[in-house]
Amino acid sequence: DGGITQSPKYLFRKEGQNVTLSCEQNLNHDAMYWYRQDPGQGLRLIYYSQIVNDFQKGDIAEGYSVSREKKESFPLTVTSAQKNPTAFYLCASSITETGRNEQYFGPGTRLTVT
Amino acid sequence: GENVEQHPSTLSVQEGDSAVIKCTYSDSASNYFPWYKQELGKRPQLIIDIRSNVGEKKDQRIAVTLNKTAKHFSLHITETQPEDSAVYFCAANDSWGKFQFGAGTQVVVTP
Repeated sequence: DGGITQSPKYLFRKEGQNVTLSCEQNLNHDAMYWYRQDPGQGLRLIYYSQIVNDFQKGDIAEGYSVSREKKESFPLTVTSAQKNPTAFYLCASSITETGRNEQYFGPGTRLTVT
Repeated sequence: GENVEQHPSTLSVQEGDSAVIKCTYSDSASNYFPWYKQELGKRPQLIIDIRSNVGEKKDQRIAVTLNKTAKHFSLHITETQPEDSAVYFCAANDSWGKFQFGAGTQVVVTP
């Protein structure tokens, strides 16, 4: 998991502004994921990508967008359409090879929108 | 799609006792079941996992068991220590390579 970085650690934004969260990995993993975690809650999948230039919506994709132009990078944009964006955002990556799909997490970005 | 339920939501144990967390899943095609430990404000850390071709796996004080017929798997922590206090999540993969997570169990180990 040390090979997955997220920046910044804390992010503050005003309501109505779009904000982009960074996620980079140097593990040569094919798949990358974005999760949202609210206090006392589990992990909910926002978007995932199993290959460069391709991504799919997860369970709570509304108000979010992603891109996967490089294998190492999977940025998440929280748009003004997301009604309740304040949360802890976690990026993860994994190998997609059968039998080797352990998923590892980045340190997370705590986003506060006021 | 896959649905994972996790129980209990909170678990208080005396130091030295055992802790057991149980999860059930719905997708019979799921074949990989990881467990994560998350300390406050930190990232989830993979602590142990099990694949559908085995029934039990141990790593020092932690073990995971899997019952494919009943579609449930459990985490067992023996000789609990204060540093075991954290939130534990179970997960199961689906046929698309995604993971569905349980809601988490807050474990508190009291000295």
